[in-house]
Amino acid sequence: KQEVTQIPAALSVPEGENLVLNCSFTDSAIYNLQWFRQDPGKGLTSLLLIQSSQREQTSGRLNASLDKSSGRSTLYIAASQPGDSATYLCAVVSGNQGGKLIFGQGTELSVKP
Amino acid sequence: DAGVIQSPRHEVTEMGQEVTLRCKPISGHDYLFWYRQTMMRGLELLIYFNNNVPIDDSGMPEDRFSAKMPNASFSTLKIQPSEPRDSAVYFCASSLGTSNQPQHFGDGTRLSIL
Repeated sequence: KQEVTQIPAALSVPEGENLVLNCSFTDSAIYNLQWFRQDPGKGLTSLLLIQSSQREQTSGRLNASLDKSSGRSTLYIAASQPGDSATYLCAVVSGNQGGKLIFGQGTELSVKP
Repeated sequence: DAGVIQSPRHEVTEMGQEVTLRCKPISGHDYLFWYRQTMMRGLELLIYFNNNVPIDDSGMPEDRFSAKMPNASFSTLKIQPSEPRDSAVYFCASSLGTSNQPQHFGDGTRLSIL
């Protein structure tokens, strides 16, 4: 059974810092891995999607990497801003569980001005 | 372009009552997903549809939960009878596919069962 873990659960950094959020998964048979952002009281916003054949994806100040063999992904945020404060969730579409997105518990990020 | 639309945004009701949550997916999306989010269990998939047909309902917790998709632009999630432990935020999401397309989420329905 696929399990997704995110470390740390919470992170507080000063504005301007570069930071890395970590995600690990137990079964490497995935179709893709997605990173989402969730603001309080809101739904999830898709940030990046990495296909199983890809190593990384970039969007603006965000870069996500994928190492399928080790079951790991990282989300790198460059030059963090207070507006980046949110909960970041990692999720995988697992090859043996249909089209289900299996989510981690998220990392709550706070960027202090 | 409108996103996924869910209604109501908030629902407070007494245990034993029937609850109906509604979702309008993004036009043209052929997959629709219902999720539940709680502090204890995080985000869990309840059921998903492809072209209005339920594909996997293994996440539906009990027979008290049912979901329908009568057409491509509308889905409902019904709880009857409701219980306090059903209190959660329920999200609907839609996508063009499962393996290579992102899922787009609505803002959720915050459900409180007293």
